[in-house]
Amino acid sequence: GDSVTQMEGPVTLSEEAFLTINCTYTATGYPSLFWYVQYPGEGLQLLLKATKADDKGSNKGFEATYRKETTSFHLEKGSVQVSDSAVYFCALSSGGTSYGKLTFGQGTILTVHP
Amino acid sequence: NAGVTQTPKFQVLKTGQSMTLQCAQDMNHEYMSWYRQDPGMGLRLIHYSVGAGITDQGEVPNGYNVSRSTTEDFPLRLLSAAPSQTSVYFCASRAGNTIYFGEGSWLTVV
Repeated sequence: GDSVTQMEGPVTLSEEAFLTINCTYTATGYPSLFWYVQYPGEGLQLLLKATKADDKGSNKGFEATYRKETTSFHLEKGSVQVSDSAVYFCALSSGGTSYGKLTFGQGTILTVHP
Repeated sequence: NAGVTQTPKFQVLKTGQSMTLQCAQDMNHEYMSWYRQDPGMGLRLIHYSVGAGITDQGEVPNGYNVSRSTTEDFPLRLLSAAPSQTSVYFCASRAGNTIYFGEGSWLTVV
């Protein structure tokens, strides 16, 4: 079945540091890939997505590229801010009868210090 | 446009009690689903629906029931709450290949 593996957390960075959160997946066919962000006490918000190989999703300075050859969708940001402190979830959605169902990674807690 | 609305936001139940988590969306989405979020486990799919009158089980359906009598509403029922059902519950609906989440319902079973 489908699965998503994220790097172990928590991740602690200083403001303006470079961020990478690794995400690899296993899926049949050609899934769509997502990053969701959850701020403390809130629900999940879609951060970015990519629907086919080599697509780059980007939003709010975050980027991730759909790499089919390495089955990866790593999240990056060049300069993090304190306001980026949150939990980040990588997820995939396969087509066919499972279309629309998301499979999530376990989440990575990011804390950014001033 | 309210998006996906969940109620209640917080609830404490005693073991064996029943309750319903409400979910409504005003975007006319056919696909809706319920997830639970537990520490270190990400989100896991409980039940989903591809349209009114159609529901199916997800990854962790035991102890939960759902129904879909209208496009807008997708309630989740706990028939006899257990401490293992202490979790944060998220309802979601889909448009295209993007899924929109409600703000979550924090449930504690004591």
